[in-house]
Amino acid sequence: AQSVTQLDSQVPVFEEAPVELRCNYSSSVSVYLFWYVQYPNQGLQLLLKYLSGSTLVKGINGFEAEFNKSQTSFHLRKPSVHISDTAEYFCAVRGGDGDYKLSFGAGTTVTVRA
Amino acid sequence: DTGVSQDPRHKITKRGQNVTFRCDPISEHNRLYWYRQTLGQGPEFLTYFQNEAQLEKSRLLSDRFSAERPKGSFSTLEIQRTEQGDSAMYLCASSLIPVTGELFFGEGSRLTVL
Repeated sequence: AQSVTQLDSQVPVFEEAPVELRCNYSSSVSVYLFWYVQYPNQGLQLLLKYLSGSTLVKGINGFEAEFNKSQTSFHLRKPSVHISDTAEYFCAVRGGDGDYKLSFGAGTTVTVRA
Repeated sequence: DTGVSQDPRHKITKRGQNVTFRCDPISEHNRLYWYRQTLGQGPEFLTYFQNEAQLEKSRLLSDRFSAERPKGSFSTLEIQRTEQGDSAMYLCASSLIPVTGELFFGEGSRLTVL
């Protein structure tokens, strides 16, 4: 079975500063990895995904993530955050072919301050 | 594409009552998922359907919970004899086969059991 651990539950950051959200996964098979964002009172929205190929994945709103197989990590980064990036961020993993459900981490709350 | 819609968005009920939630997936999507999210936690998988077939159920899904997708389109999630511990956000998501992995989420149905 696969699982993810998000290492930070809350990340306060100042506007225009960089941010990194850490995610580690465990799986005995090849994995597909995702980052979702949940703005207040809204559903989850996909930021980016890693399926195969380049380990650096670019997503929406200026976010990117790097897949590191040796460290079993998929950390999310943004070089300069905006107030509107205040939200909860979830890392998720799906196992290989035949397993179509996502397993989510507990989430990281990002609060951007002016 | 009108997205995944869920109804009702909010439900307040008394302990012991039955409640039913409805999910309408994106029209061409043949996989439909139910997740539960409690405060401060990531979404937890409950069950999923491929067309009308329920392919997997989590151990979280007690016998008071039942989900159906009778014609392979909309789905219902019923909770019988609700308990205070059932208070949560119930999320529905859909996806298309072949699956790139991305789930498209609705905005959720929030249940409060008094």
